[in-house]
Amino acid sequence: DIVMTQSPDSLAVSLGERATINCKSSQSVLYSLTNKNYLAWYQQKPGQPPKLLISWAFTRESGVPDRFSGSGFETDFTLTISSLQAEDVAVYYCQQYHTTPGTFGQGTRVEIK
Amino acid sequence: QVQLVQSGTEVKKPGASVKVSCEASGYTFSNYGISWVRLAPGQGLEWVAWISGYDGNTDYAPKFRGRVTLTTDKSTITAYMELRSLRSDDTAVYYCARGGVGGNYSPLDYWGQGTLVTVSS
Repeated sequence: DIVMTQSPDSLAVSLGERATINCKSSQSVLYSLTNKNYLAWYQQKPGQPPKLLISWAFTRESGVPDRFSGSGFETDFTLTISSLQAEDVAVYYCQQYHTTPGTFGQGTRVEIK
Repeated sequence: QVQLVQSGTEVKKPGASVKVSCEASGYTFSNYGISWVRLAPGQGLEWVAWISGYDGNTDYAPKFRGRVTLTTDKSTITAYMELRSLRSDDTAVYYCARGGVGGNYSPLDYWGQGTLVTVSS
């Protein structure tokens, strides 16, 4: 299985400040035929299902605020929240869908400082 | 709009089986697949399995192979996940989510509300 490791496990950021979450995969999730990184980011709030924020490493889903951005390549990826808002308090997961099983990172809890 | 509506809470004894349903609406079912993901207490998300809405092809995480079976009913546009030989560590919220049609090679863009399965003697 591809192991996805996120850092940090938790993060406390002041309102309006930047939050950065890292995700490292044990193998490349770049598929050479499509030249796409098979990497997604999800946001999960308590009592709710996960919400897809970013797919293909950096493509923001429709309706997702532009303060959320994704970057990275092959094995190292980052989710950035440029200006943290109160409604961004949640657990964030990366997931690779390059290889079965489609493994998730352990999650990063984002809180307000 | 796309919706995935799951069946309700289940309480099962160890060794029993559970079957969770996921009724889809708002899109062409045969153009997508359905993945199942679970969230156990204090744990992170865990991918369980995938089924094609087109031809019923399946793909299972090795950890669950032999214990889980996915099916679809195209007449009711519903996907099902059956998990057998339940253990206490199967206690989790199980989600269905829409994904790719040809395999588990797409992001999961719409999710069901989740079904809590509790395994307890």
